[in-house]
This record gives sequence, structure tokens and C-alpha cells, in this order.
Amino acid sequence: DQQVKQNSPSLSVQEGRISILNCDYTNSMFDYFLWYKKYPAEGPTFLISISSIKDKNEDGRFTVFLNKSAKHLSLHIVPSQPGDSAVYFCAAKGASMEYGNKLVFGAGTILRVKS
Amino acid sequence: GAVVSQHPSWVICKSGTSVKIECRSLDFQATTMFWYRQFPKQSLMLMATSNEGSKATYEQGVEKDKFLINHASLTLSTLTVTSAHPEDSSFYICSAPRRRDTEAFFGQGTRLTVV
Repeated sequence: DQQVKQNSPSLSVQEGRISILNCDYTNSMFDYFLWYKKYPAEGPTFLISISSIKDKNEDGRFTVFLNKSAKHLSLHIVPSQPGDSAVYFCAAKGASMEYGNKLVFGAGTILRVKS
Repeated sequence: GAVVSQHPSWVICKSGTSVKIECRSLDFQATTMFWYRQFPKQSLMLMATSNEGSKATYEQGVEKDKFLINHASLTLSTLTVTSAHPEDSSFYICSAPRRRDTEAFFGQGTRLTVV
């Protein structure tokens, strides 16, 4: 039972254009969402996060949008750069003691930015 | 710079031997650390939660006698893969949440190959 889903395994974008990575979740107890970037043979690095009380968070070229009613979030990268090419993981966690600080990850989306 | 360090970054071992992987928080104390496993082209799957001074909590389907976790201090957790078999070959990653931050920091990962 996948609680966090990234339905697009890969995305190819031209340099300078916008990259939009999507993520859906099923568990309404999740209240914090994060995006991580991962290169092969390395650990994930944190990019940006959003609390469920917000619908948008922006940090430089990265913006995350959250639609709670649709249980959907997206990561926008603009302008995209070749160095952004990596696997992007969406992750979620819940506030209750049951979840602690556990992160539930999506399957990841491979982003390729072509120059 | 890295706030969570994982060692070794790669290891090759013979079938039947045991391998220990270390995860250290570098500039903060971590009462909890998480161990993940990633198969090729798949998501990060949480294996267990390492708790300082107490027993680890394992996710469903993870053999606790196979994957021994020791969280002996506030900055070190170890994962020992016992009697390793080729099917244990994978990428293992640890993470630790830093109290003042909401995101978890990940180690560099360990590529285990059992031959």
C-alpha cells in the first residue's frame, strides 16, 4: 500500500524551462511534506518542505505547492539547469506519536535537464 | 557540510559473513536514527528506527536477527547485516533528524555487494 506516490518515473525538460514534479498521498494524517534530491550512490539531500497549514513555499528556484483537498503536492523548478538532473523524492510524515519522525517516501522521479 | 556521516561508502563481502555499517551525527545528538534500504530504481524503504539506549523498532517484514541495530551513543548507530547473502546486496542509507530542524539529514549511503 503506497501512501506516497510519484506516478511519473521520469521527466525530461529543456534547460531554462520549468520542471514540475508531482506527488500524491493517501494518508490524511500526514502534515509535513518534503522534497529530496538524490544522485546515484549518494544519500538524499533536502531541498524544500511545506507544512500542511500552508499551500505554497518558495526557496530560490524551488517552489512547492500543496493542495490538501486533492492530497497532491508539486515541486516547481524554474529555470531548470543541467545540474538539477537527479532523482527527486517526495516524502511525508505525520504529527502523531505513531509516526514519530518517520518519513514515507515516494518512488522517485528521474529529472533530466537537457542543455 | 555533511551533518550525518555513514561509513563505509561501499563494501564487498563473501556470502555468510557479517558486515557492519556505521552512521554518525556530526554536530548534534540524535536519540533516533533511521535505516533505509534502496533497491535499484526503487524508493527508499524504511527498515528500522534506531533508538538510543533501547531496542530498535523494525518495520514489518524486516528480520531483526538479520539486521542488527545498535544505538550505543547519541551520535552513533550501527547496522550489522549478519550472515549476508547475495539478496542482501543493496544500497543502505541512514538518516537522523536534528531537533531544531524539521527535515532529516541523510548519510552518504553504503553500497553492499555480497558475492
